[in-house]
Amino acid sequence: EIVLTQSPGTLSLSPGERATLSCRASQSITSNYLAWYQQKPGQAPRLLIFGASSRATGIPDRFTGSGSGTQFTLTINRLEPEDFAVYYCQQYGSPTFGQGTKLDIK
Amino acid sequence: VQLEVFGGGLVKPGGSLRVSCAASGFTFSDSFNDAFMSWIRQAPGKGLEWISYISGRGNKIHYADSVKGRFTVSRDNARNLLYLQMNSLTVDDTAIYYCARQQVVGHDFWSGYPNAWYFDLWGRGTLVTVSS
Repeated sequence: EIVLTQSPGTLSLSPGERATLSCRASQSITSNYLAWYQQKPGQAPRLLIFGASSRATGIPDRFTGSGSGTQFTLTINRLEPEDFAVYYCQQYGSPTFGQGTKLDIK
Repeated sequence: VQLEVFGGGLVKPGGSLRVSCAASGFTFSDSFNDAFMSWIRQAPGKGLEWISYISGRGNKIHYADSVKGRFTVSRDNARNLLYLQMNSLTVDDTAIYYCARQQVVGHDFWSGYPNAWYFDLWGRGTLVTVSS
């Protein structure tokens, strides 16, 4: 089973700054089968990125996914107040999720 | 386009509960698309755990080891409903239960079952609390 480790656990930034979230896999993920989700308190997760770098429908272009193999990154440019949430990565096979990164307002 | 989950509540250890998920605004299942659906749960303060999927026709079903033999997934395509019957519940089953639409991108060559998927639409979730 592939284990996903997200870092940092908590990231404190201000609106307008750039956030860089990391997702590291215990073994190589084939075909860039990795997704990112955003979850706000009391809400269901929302798909942001699939295939490591493709934005889901309606996701602003300030969200960018990148990476391959065992190292993946979600970058959020010019943070908006609504971006402060918990972010999870997920690998597609017998799917497992990372433990999440909480993006806090500084 | 939405999924609405309902039926959660408080149940005693060893008890049973059925949660449901109502789909609207998209094709839940038809002759051309094998529209897979999944159940995913999140224990309080914890991360996400996929627990089961079912194919559009209901002929391909798979469970995580943590619920195998205790939980049963089913669907009623005529009513656009997805179900999760949970039996022999333990305190470790306490969680918010989400349903999600599953996008399958890969299949096992031999079994034909999905071996790679992600979730492009989630329902809001319902809380199941197992406590005496």
